[in-house]
Amino acid sequence: GNSVTQMEGPVTLSEEAFLTINCTYTATGYPSLFWYVQYPGEGLQLLLKATKADDKGSNKGFEATYRKETTSFHLEKGSVQVSDSAVYFCALGDSGNTPLVFGKGTRLSVIA
Amino acid sequence: SQTIHQWPATLVQPVGSPLSLECTVEGTSNPNLYWYRQAAGRGLQLLFYSVGIGQISSEVPQNLSASRPQDRQFILSSKKLLLSDSGFYLCAWSVGRLGGFTDTQYFGPGTRLTVL
Repeated sequence: GNSVTQMEGPVTLSEEAFLTINCTYTATGYPSLFWYVQYPGEGLQLLLKATKADDKGSNKGFEATYRKETTSFHLEKGSVQVSDSAVYFCALGDSGNTPLVFGKGTRLSVIA
Repeated sequence: SQTIHQWPATLVQPVGSPLSLECTVEGTSNPNLYWYRQAAGRGLQLLFYSVGIGQISSEVPQNLSASRPQDRQFILSSKKLLLSDSGFYLCAWSVGRLGGFTDTQYFGPGTRLTVL
């Protein structure tokens, strides 16, 4: 079946550091891929998405490129801020009107 | 625009008491609806999803149940709460899309449930 694997956290970075959170997936077809962010005590918010190979999703300085050849959708940001501290979830959407498949989440802490 | 509401925001209940959490969506029709749970410091656990009124798929057998009495209303219930039911409960919706790819899921603000 479909699955998403994210790097284990927590990830702790200093402000202005470069961020990469790895995400790889297993799917039978060509899924849509998503990154969600969850700030403390809140629900998940869509951060960015990509619907086909080589698409790049971007939002708020975050980027991720849909790589079919490596089945990956790594999240990157060039310079993180304290306000980026949150849990980040990678997710996959397949056909059949079924729920998204989520990774386990990666907690990011950015210190000043 | 679409909005999703959940209530209550927080709830403290004794073990063995009943539970009813409500989720409503505005600004769309025939949405897919979902209930998730997050235990403290853990990932998302899909509990139930629904693609239409009266259609409920259960992902995890447990003492919880879900109902969809109206198109944009999704209710999570329990007859007798367990300590292990404590957690953060999230409702979500997505555009119902027969035959297509699952679209973006939009999440509500969540309900923090503490069972004592």
